[in-house]
Amino acid sequence: NSKVIQTPRYLVKGQGQKAKMRCIPEKGHPVVFWYQQNKNNEFKFLINFQNQEVLQQIDMTEKRFSAECPSNSPCSLEIQSSEAGDSALYLCASRPGQGATEVFFGKGTRLTVV
Amino acid sequence: TQTVSQSDAHVTVFEGDSVELRCNYSYGGSIYLSWYIQHHGRGLQFLLKYYSGNPVVQGVNGFEAEFSKSDSSFHLRKASVHWSDSAVYFCAVSPAYQGGRALIFGTGTTVSVSP
Repeated sequence: NSKVIQTPRYLVKGQGQKAKMRCIPEKGHPVVFWYQQNKNNEFKFLINFQNQEVLQQIDMTEKRFSAECPSNSPCSLEIQSSEAGDSALYLCASRPGQGATEVFFGKGTRLTVV
Repeated sequence: TQTVSQSDAHVTVFEGDSVELRCNYSYGGSIYLSWYIQHHGRGLQFLLKYYSGNPVVQGVNGFEAEFSKSDSSFHLRKASVHWSDSAVYFCAVSPAYQGGRALIFGTGTTVSVSP
């Protein structure tokens, strides 16, 4: 069973508000991913890290999205000014290392923008 | 452009029946293929993966999948489903040699198991 911890499980924000969610990857997993899953089950890869360094990221939607994985602190994903289209399940996942293939997912943070 | 296609959005089966979930992909390079399951309200759980070798791979809970290079497919099968197999199943591809190896998912197949 995955030990990736995501908080909060549910987040409700008004349009224009900041939305911040956190992720504690499994212990010893240096690679962390963030994905957005919409109501149609479409996944969008957002960003991934190895330790504190960004490996890959998409052009984060007009720069409203930011993410970090500081050492000795939870990883975080923040939306600076929430829009209705940001309503989705945000999934964090971690992987033991570059040589590993299995990815372990958290239960997600469901963001609703009203 | 990498794509993953799951042609069946919804499959309904009876408990004890067999099930096959189809996955076809389009990618030009070396890849990992995997299947994940998502129960309602929960995160994705890994079922199985393929990279090379025997094209039939065994996963957890009696699931297996078969890779076909000629068909660009990686179909998931289970011989006898249980009610607890009701969930959404996602096929995923990740490039083998890209630094982060982000997963590219299909849009899922919802499996409903009736008693």
